[in-house]
Amino acid sequence: QVQLVQSGAEVKKPGASAKVSCKASGYTFISYAIHWVRQAPGQRPEWMGWINGGSGNTRYSQNFQGRVTFTRDTSASTAYMELRSLRSEDTALYYCARESNSFDVWGQGTMVTVSS
Amino acid sequence: EIVMTQSPATLSVSPGERATLSCRASQSVSSNLAWYQQKPGQAPRLLIFGTSTRATGIPARFSGGGSGTEFTLTISSLLSEDFAVYYCQQYSNWYTFGQGTKLEIK
Repeated sequence: QVQLVQSGAEVKKPGASAKVSCKASGYTFISYAIHWVRQAPGQRPEWMGWINGGSGNTRYSQNFQGRVTFTRDTSASTAYMELRSLRSEDTALYYCARESNSFDVWGQGTMVTVSS
Repeated sequence: EIVMTQSPATLSVSPGERATLSCRASQSVSSNLAWYQQKPGQAPRLLIFGTSTRATGIPARFSGGGSGTEFTLTISSLLSEDFAVYYCQQYSNWYTFGQGTKLEIK
């Protein structure tokens, strides 16, 4: 079945970077874009941007421009999200999601906690 | 940025009854509107896309309607598993989500 499996929880100090992976299975990775969405506790989801699984082209939300980078490894059917210069407000669940008729398949989420 | 506003914030309904959730966009999103269900500790689950098309495996008791700036999600006869938080999302101009409606058991 189609699924996205993300890496485990991370605890980071302010100013550090976090890198989350998202491994796809059950479909042709290069045929779909992967989006990244984060959700702070008790808050609405917030879109961060996307990466085209085939071309590697990316588009970032202005809210994260300059601080986030999406990459992918097609041989491993895996997408990555790196967020730099972390601050406490970045504490959230980070999701990857496949784009097909909006976001039809989601990863299980990766908790990133930023704390000194 | 297109702002999505959902109402009510909390909706209390008895099992077996109908629930209607609303979503308003700050500008027209045409039919580029999706609905998601989220249960505690889980990722959002796509219910409806294109305003009214049910996603794969979604039961017929879920239906979506509207256009432009006003949208609704209706659950015709609530089951216990339907009590959750529901989000609308526009994908006409980038992607933004509403603040959610919590559907709780009355």
